[in-house]
Amino acid sequence: DTGVSQDPRHKITKRGQNVTFRCDPISEHNRLYWYRQTLGQGPEFLTYFQNEAQLEKSRLLSDRFSAERPKGSFSTLEIQRTEQGDSAMYLCASSGGDTPLEQYFGPGTRLTVT
Amino acid sequence: QKEVEQNSGPLSVPEGAIASLNCTYSDRGSQSFFWYRQYSGKSPELIMFIYSNGDKEDGRFTAQLNKASQYVSLLIRDSQPSDSATYLCAVMRRDDKIIFGKGTRLHILP
Repeated sequence: DTGVSQDPRHKITKRGQNVTFRCDPISEHNRLYWYRQTLGQGPEFLTYFQNEAQLEKSRLLSDRFSAERPKGSFSTLEIQRTEQGDSAMYLCASSGGDTPLEQYFGPGTRLTVT
Repeated sequence: QKEVEQNSGPLSVPEGAIASLNCTYSDRGSQSFFWYRQYSGKSPELIMFIYSNGDKEDGRFTAQLNKASQYVSLLIRDSQPSDSATYLCAVMRRDDKIIFGKGTRLHILP
């Protein structure tokens, strides 16, 4: 399978705990995006990378959110001191290669904060 | 004004008819425009993208772009029950950030 993968698929955590999600993009893709999606809404941009460089981070994000893509391959998204409002689907997408405009999504990580 | 606006629906269309989905955007500098389909509980999947004014056809799908009116649409011909889903319009800005609308729920009536 050469698609975008995300791990874990589901995460239940207690308020105040830290969580980390991983995304493995399609291998030849140099761009990687993180989104958050809640019920009835479209994906909300969080941040994106071109290779290992983080090009933009949404102003909507607090300092509790951080993302890395250390070698320009996989990426991690960490949420510190989780709050109930962080409960959402976290989606990763990648693009690049011969079709730079085509963005492909992973299956997402569903986070539930209790 | 939201950057990307869509009617949330639901839009109900009889099987075999043409479904027309619309989207407007606010940033005149936006360069590329995308339509995604999202089934309940699944992640979005790209249907097609367009970046030049006019029409772009791919099978039963036609995307239409009018940059002067800041309007993009998706037509689905010969609608099938399997087309029932939420359709997301997305816009790539000059800074390459991709902004999504809330989506339009489409229901194809058998």
